[in-house]
Amino acid sequence: AQSVSQHNHHVILSEAASLELGCNYSYGGTVNLFWYVQYPGQHLQLLLKYFSGDPLVKGIKGFEAEFIKSKFSFNLRKPSVQWSDTAEYFCAVNAAGAGSYQLTFGKGTKLSVIP
Amino acid sequence: EAGVTQFPSHSVIEKGQTVTLRCDPISGHDNLYWYRRVMGKEIKFLLHFVKESKQDESGMPNNRFLAERTGGTYSTLKVQPAELEDSGVYFCASSRYPGVSNTEAFFGQGTRLTVV
Repeated sequence: AQSVSQHNHHVILSEAASLELGCNYSYGGTVNLFWYVQYPGQHLQLLLKYFSGDPLVKGIKGFEAEFIKSKFSFNLRKPSVQWSDTAEYFCAVNAAGAGSYQLTFGKGTKLSVIP
Repeated sequence: EAGVTQFPSHSVIEKGQTVTLRCDPISGHDNLYWYRRVMGKEIKFLLHFVKESKQDESGMPNNRFLAERTGGTYSTLKVQPAELEDSGVYFCASSRYPGVSNTEAFFGQGTRLTVV
């Protein structure tokens, strides 16, 4: 069974600081990878996803993530955060081709951006 | 397009009582998923419907949980009898096609269940 580890429980940054949220997964096969975000009082929404091809994927709102297969990692980055990025971020993985469509999530990282 | 809607947004019940959560997926989405997040832990998969059929229910914790999707539209998740450890946020998601490689799953806002 796959698992996902997010290294930081809570990250506090000032506006304009750069962001990198760590995500590692454990699964020996091919994976589909996702980052979801939940803004306060809102639903989970997809930031970006990786299925194949270019390991550097770009998502909405200036976010990007890089898949490093050798490190089983899919870290989320943003060069300059804004106060509106305050939210909880979830990394998730799906075992591609395993016949199951369930997502396995990490515990989430809360990001607080100070104006 | 209306999103995934969940009712109620918050429910507080006593241990031993019954609670029914409802999820209305996006119209036309045959696939419906239930997930749960217990406080401080990961969001965990519960089950997956394709129309009215249970495609994968490997995440259902025990037989106190019953999910239905009669007619392949909205779904209900009943917990009977509720226990303290059932407290958490229950998320519903829907997608048009099965799988994740060719479509996105849209999530609802969740139902926060508190069992006291």
